[in-house]
Amino acid sequence: DTGVSQDPRHKITKRGQNVTFRCDPISEHNRLYWYRQTLGQGPEFLTYFQNEAQLEKSRLLSDRFSAERPKGSFSTLEIQRTEQGDSAMYLCASSWGTGSFDTQYFGPGTRLTVL
Amino acid sequence: TQLLEQSPQFLSIQEGENLTVYCNSSSVFSSLQWYRQEPGEGPVLLVTVVTGGEVKKLKRLTFQFGDARKDSSLHITAAQPGDTGLYLCAGAGQSNFNKFYFGSGTKLNVKP
Repeated sequence: DTGVSQDPRHKITKRGQNVTFRCDPISEHNRLYWYRQTLGQGPEFLTYFQNEAQLEKSRLLSDRFSAERPKGSFSTLEIQRTEQGDSAMYLCASSWGTGSFDTQYFGPGTRLTVL
Repeated sequence: TQLLEQSPQFLSIQEGENLTVYCNSSSVFSSLQWYRQEPGEGPVLLVTVVTGGEVKKLKRLTFQFGDARKDSSLHITAAQPGDTGLYLCAGAGQSNFNKFYFGSGTKLNVKP
């Protein structure tokens, strides 16, 4: 396994359209995270899964955003009725969470541009 | 509001110079990670520090976690153009160590 992969790498869409991104974590990792990063900022936490359970969601994740990890492996992030403010890099990370600290490994990201 | 403040925001230096990047917070973290990110790519993990006062070295990079686990620094010796990138620190919550807070990063440019 070569690391976390994300698909697509780039997505251009028109305002109002729905988009879906996929993340494939490192195979033995039980935790999966989604972040959003805008230009000039660090990543902002959106949500995370332990296996198939979504354990925490940020207030940044409005009702138009939904994330799933149906079998505890890959995850999808869907944005409905996209807005120009959704333009950002969407990053996925995974980890093998045990003990009192966690080390995350990031994918290359999906760059979303909403026109 | 950024929980972690990084300074400086931008740094442009000549090859061979030394530099230090700082990551500060009023919050205590269970662990802290440093990443380097290149344009259009995801962050790449450099190091995780866990114990207050811990110092880790990675070739020319030296990472230190503050005694109170609220701050950290990254020191680069004899910087090279290949060190150019965005350096991010990320702290894991003390009560919820699965939740990471990122700083806004230090953009480093090393000129040949």
